[in-house]
Amino acid sequence: QSALTQPRSVSGSPGQAVTISCTGTNSDIGGYNYVSWFQHRPGKAPQLIIYDVNKRPLGVPDRFSGSKSGNTASLTISGLQPDDEAVYYCCSYSVTYIRYVFGIGTEVAVL
Amino acid sequence: QVQLVQSGAEVKKPGASVRVSCKTSGYTFTNFDINWVRLAPGQGLVWMGWMNPNSGQTGSALGFQGRLTMTRDTSKSTAYMDLESLTSDDTAVYFCARGDYSGSHPDYWGQGTLVTVSS
Repeated sequence: QSALTQPRSVSGSPGQAVTISCTGTNSDIGGYNYVSWFQHRPGKAPQLIIYDVNKRPLGVPDRFSGSKSGNTASLTISGLQPDDEAVYYCCSYSVTYIRYVFGIGTEVAVL
Repeated sequence: QVQLVQSGAEVKKPGASVRVSCKTSGYTFTNFDINWVRLAPGQGLVWMGWMNPNSGQTGSALGFQGRLTMTRDTSKSTAYMDLESLTSDDTAVYFCARGDYSGSHPDYWGQGTLVTVSS
């Protein structure tokens, strides 16, 4: 039921940049500038890190950035740190799903 | 600060129902929607439904219509999610998440409640 497509995993060395893609349709990502990204560590509440495609909530480092082109959104983590190891989920407003649709999650590993 | 605190883990038998509560604090409960999202093993997050705590209006994803009920107690700033006719496929961590003022995304989340369905 996860309708947005994300890679299962990405990895990078400390200091490198990694980019996670999230592909949807015209009914979600392509139709609205309402893409958000969440960082999830096991046993914790997911944390909002990007909203409205490229906005950061207060307190989120500017190493995290978001963008969108057509039906694909992207999250870039620059200057990768060990603490960035987590699962990252994309989310979009979706008229098809009534409110929101999520991706399957991408596990980020810091080598 | 905004907090959503959920009830503890549950173990249920197939066919049973489960209720998960989500107690909120740090903001005006009736001003923001509450969403319910689940994370099943090996799967991604799945949005289940939303509720307007002011009016009580709700909306559910197609896959949960007919067995998902969302309610609230405004005097306790608490939202409730009831899921009926449980099967093993419903084994998951269930989250409540506040919808931001524009409705464009969830912002604050609860810590999650593990529901295990097993005979």
